[in-house]
Amino acid sequence: KAGVTQTPRYLIKTRGQQVTLSCSPISGHRSVSWYQQTPGQGLQFLFEYFSETQRNKGNFPGRFSGRQFSNSRSEMNVSTLELGDSALYLCASSSQLVYNEQFFGPGTRLTVL
Amino acid sequence: AQTVTQSQPEMSVQEAETVTLSCTYDTSESDYYLFWYKQPPSRQMILVIRQEAYKQQNATENRFSVNFQKAAKSFSLKISDSQLGDAAMYFCASQGGSEKLVFGKGTKLTVNP
Repeated sequence: KAGVTQTPRYLIKTRGQQVTLSCSPISGHRSVSWYQQTPGQGLQFLFEYFSETQRNKGNFPGRFSGRQFSNSRSEMNVSTLELGDSALYLCASSSQLVYNEQFFGPGTRLTVL
Repeated sequence: AQTVTQSQPEMSVQEAETVTLSCTYDTSESDYYLFWYKQPPSRQMILVIRQEAYKQQNATENRFSVNFQKAAKSFSLKISDSQLGDAAMYFCASQGGSEKLVFGKGTKLTVNP
């Protein structure tokens, strides 16, 4: 089985712009979670989707949004980018909603100038 | 709310020796899972080991084992016969019920030849 894929791998944007990141889960996985990783804050949970429904949401401003499609692929969008949004954004998929191993993608490195 | 604390930002070990990484957690859930994830410099996060809280027996995966002390809310990772490929960031994480996966800040492990 192919692993979790994320596109693009690297992205450079300027303040005020918006960005969309994509995640394709492992085939058959219905749960997709997003995390933001920074040196200062570590790994912070953004949101989780299961069967196109947002199941959990972290403590991020409304500029961060996401969605999941019927084929389980997920996108996250960040509007009005700020310098502090520079981070590695990780996507993880699992076959069940709870108590199951999450398989992580390689991440998208977002740099905001 | 769940919290996970890793008190050792960095650790080092000589090749072939044993090292223990510490983790403490707090959760109000009665049923939960604990995990250790490894993130090598290439950034792909992978699961090292998983422990179900209801199981008293400590989980073991080849050279990796845990010391799960439920009453003390402690979940340490022991790596035996350390190898150069074990060098990575190690994250302790917990998940309870249908809640999100919560990560600690991580421990950077260096393996010296």
